Amino acid sequence: AQSVTQLDSHVSVSEGTPVLLRCNYSSSYSPSLFWYVQHPNKGLQLLLKYTSAATLVKGINGFEAEFKKSETSFHLTKPSAHMSDAAEYFCVVILYNAGNMLTFGGGTRLMVKP
Amino acid sequence: NAGVTQTPKFRILKIGQSMTLQCTQDMNHNYMYWYRQDPGMGLKLIYYSVGAGITDKGEVPNGYNVSRSTTEDFPLRLELAAPSQTSVYFCASTLPFAGENTEAFFGQGTRLTVV
Repeated sequence: AQSVTQLDSHVSVSEGTPVLLRCNYSSSYSPSLFWYVQHPNKGLQLLLKYTSAATLVKGINGFEAEFKKSETSFHLTKPSAHMSDAAEYFCVVILYNAGNMLTFGGGTRLMVKP
Repeated sequence: NAGVTQTPKFRILKIGQSMTLQCTQDMNHNYMYWYRQDPGMGLKLIYYSVGAGITDKGEVPNGYNVSRSTTEDFPLRLELAAPSQTSVYFCASTLPFAGENTEAFFGQGTRLTVV
């Protein structure tokens, strides 16, 4: 069974418009949740993380994510997209009722149109 | 702290050759992982380890072997390279518990081409 699901494989926005990348997880316990970004031919860069402190998490480059336990979601948002935000985004989870394994979502490719 | 260090960064192998991808972390993390990422795709788990002397298969283990003799090192071995193993390989490490300092650390990746 899929433990973490990114609901959109591709998202396209215009520069200056809001970004929403969706992530849902399945776990009986509160997980640790992360968003990573990967630019073409680059490694993985941590955008932000949730580790049971504040449910609204601010990250780098203006990104935010809100942990909603009732909805088992951790969606990534940004008020205004920039061309440099075009990249692949991964929702990553450590599930503490599944052997504490690091689990990746399938990724969402964000495209930003001028 | 250096974090997670992978070597080499790039490698070209001929079919049938063998090689070892090295991964070292200096954060005393129990959990270590090897992933592969094919072009335009997500990351698939090859093998993982929850501590020295303990390893287990992930989603795509065929054609690979691992060992974990120390907490720091988690090498990935390709015995008979095949074109299907052309990919970018990432090593990662984590602590096995939640907390403010919980984070997944990744190496910079190894781009492997088998010709």
